[in-house]
Amino acid sequence: AQTVTQSQPEMSVQEAETVTLSCTYDTSENNYYLFWYKQPPSRQMILVIRQEAYKQQNATENRFSVNFQKAAKSFSLKISDSQLGDTAMYFCALRTMEYGNKLVFGAGTILRVKS
Amino acid sequence: DVKVTQSSRYLVKRTGEKVFLECVQDMDHENMFWYRQDPGLGLRLIYFSYDVKMKEKGDIPEGYSVSREKKERFSLILESASTNQTSMYLCASSLFGTENGYTFGSGTRLTVV
Repeated sequence: AQTVTQSQPEMSVQEAETVTLSCTYDTSENNYYLFWYKQPPSRQMILVIRQEAYKQQNATENRFSVNFQKAAKSFSLKISDSQLGDTAMYFCALRTMEYGNKLVFGAGTILRVKS
Repeated sequence: DVKVTQSSRYLVKRTGEKVFLECVQDMDHENMFWYRQDPGLGLRLIYFSYDVKMKEKGDIPEGYSVSREKKERFSLILESASTNQTSMYLCASSLFGTENGYTFGSGTRLTVV
């Protein structure tokens, strides 16, 4: 069975600092994709970053990067130089053929960036 | 700019009413999905569709049905709205492959009174 676990319901960080959001997952497949989505108060879900399981290099998008540990089935998101606009709910998600090619989402982590 | 458009941002309906939530995408995506989002429960899949005229039950289909007569449009139907269907409803679409993420609409907050 596929599962995605985000163990931190809420986190906060000071503006300009770095924060890491945790995500672990479980799947029996070897090839799959992992995603982080951001949902700000406006409710629009936005794709932040994507990682292919076969790629050892960690994905990076500007201030957002991941730490992908395939053996440990861990996929954490690091946000550097946090900005007030990063305040949002963040969802980790996994997509494989095992679950009918659908995304499986974690429960989400609320991140609050404080000035 | 690619888009998934949900017809209403806020909706208030009475118990027992038939409710239609519309979703339209302009990206020629095969797959479309309906989720509901509730505090503490995350996103739960209601129904999805791999292509036109196709539909599959998700994890919580009870009380809902869907229609996909055209590739770009995926409608969620609440046959007889109940108060426990008060929620945020999110529509999403994607291309078929596992490498693709979803593109989401901006959500419909439905209140059933």
